[in-house]
Amino acid sequence: GAVVSQHPSWVICKSGTSVKIECRSLDFQATTMFWYRQFPKQSLMLMATSNEGSKATYEQGVEKDKFLINHASLTLSTLTVTSAHPEDSSFYICSAPARLAPTYNEQFFGPGTRLTVL
Amino acid sequence: QQQVKQSPQSLIVQKGGISIINCAYENTAFDYFPWYQQFPGKGPALLIAIRPDVSEKKEGRFTISFNKSAKQFSLHIMDSQPGDSATYFCAASGGQLTFGSGTQLTVLP
Repeated sequence: GAVVSQHPSWVICKSGTSVKIECRSLDFQATTMFWYRQFPKQSLMLMATSNEGSKATYEQGVEKDKFLINHASLTLSTLTVTSAHPEDSSFYICSAPARLAPTYNEQFFGPGTRLTVL
Repeated sequence: QQQVKQSPQSLIVQKGGISIINCAYENTAFDYFPWYQQFPGKGPALLIAIRPDVSEKKEGRFTISFNKSAKQFSLHIMDSQPGDSATYFCAASGGQLTFGSGTQLTVLP
């Protein structure tokens, strides 16, 4: 199956700093990528849809100025958590559809990034 | 509004038994129903998926049963093994994935 990687796999930062998480599709191109957040023992919640060459689409309640998304190429999307606070501590996961057509809904997930804000 | 309801929240099964997890959806526009398996600290991995034009799909020990009229679908894990112990999420998609709340499965040796 298609492979999606994330970097870093875990990160610890101080409150008020910014953290960048990378999501890469390794063997396929992805014009769209999705960013999810998962709190302990909870489900995945879609944060935003990253679109190559255009602005991201954010879900209701997600602060776009806090969670900056850049999809600069067909294989890379980045999520930057700005001015991170302890409540931003979570497991961040990206995914990418294996095919370009939006009706093909098969998604492949990255391994996730554990963010801990002290 | 939760569009995909999943039950049970947790499930304990003896080795060799059958694990059954159920999901119900509301949006009739959904046209793709995957199940994901997630181990602690890992991203979810696609287990099996079905589209609404079929009522059942089987892959090895995993079977999805789909009831379009009832807007329900379920995952059956036959001959459950301790290695199957994980959290399972159903999802539904009409473009974006909407996840169920998850089921923590424990298979006792």
